[in-house]
Amino acid sequence: DTGVSQNPRHKITKRGQNVTFRCDPISEHNRLYWYRQTLGQGPEFLTYFQNEAQLEKSRLLSDRFSAERPKGSFSTLEIQRTEQGDSAMYLCASSLEALTGMGSPLHFGNGTRLTVT
Amino acid sequence: DQQVKQNSPSLSVQEGRISILNCDYTNSMFDYFLWYKKYPAEGPTFLISISSIKDKNEDGRFTVFLNKSAKHLSLHIVPSQPGDSAVYFCAAYEIQGAQKLVFGQGTRLTINP
Repeated sequence: DTGVSQNPRHKITKRGQNVTFRCDPISEHNRLYWYRQTLGQGPEFLTYFQNEAQLEKSRLLSDRFSAERPKGSFSTLEIQRTEQGDSAMYLCASSLEALTGMGSPLHFGNGTRLTVT
Repeated sequence: DQQVKQNSPSLSVQEGRISILNCDYTNSMFDYFLWYKKYPAEGPTFLISISSIKDKNEDGRFTVFLNKSAKHLSLHIVPSQPGDSAVYFCAAYEIQGAQKLVFGQGTRLTINP
């Protein structure tokens, strides 16, 4: 179990540029989640996948955001035309199966910190 | 609409004493609750959880209490140790509903030697 891996750890970009983050979940985990955390707040749900299917998207996820999980393994989160308000920590998490009320449902990566200047 | 609230942004406790972190929720459909711990530059890590059919769950130094009528849960850490200094997040979800954790804002716990 190598844990959830996220790359890059840090990204600094200029407003208007596009950025892409990658998440590699724990290998046998079917569920993959993206969360966003801003300073002083808890993680906010963005979207999640069951294998390659994207099952839910938050209204926080504007049209500039797109997430994919093409082969049901790693996932990418792309932000187009970045804005300063996009500056945040983007967290990826995975779980073996659906949230059933047993044990530890989500294992988080260490996140990608995005700074938009 | 903040469905899970942690009203204390920070808490300072002396080493060896009890730390009590509080969490309130508004969504009565939540039936599973968790606490996560987060160190700087790391992702949240699971600490302890409780189902709505219970009112207490204990794991070593950590105990979570659930008061459903008050929509309130608390995390007790006793005795507190310097390594417990971190940000603690309360989270909740509906087992038969939306398959996502809803988090509180977090409480920064500092254990003083």
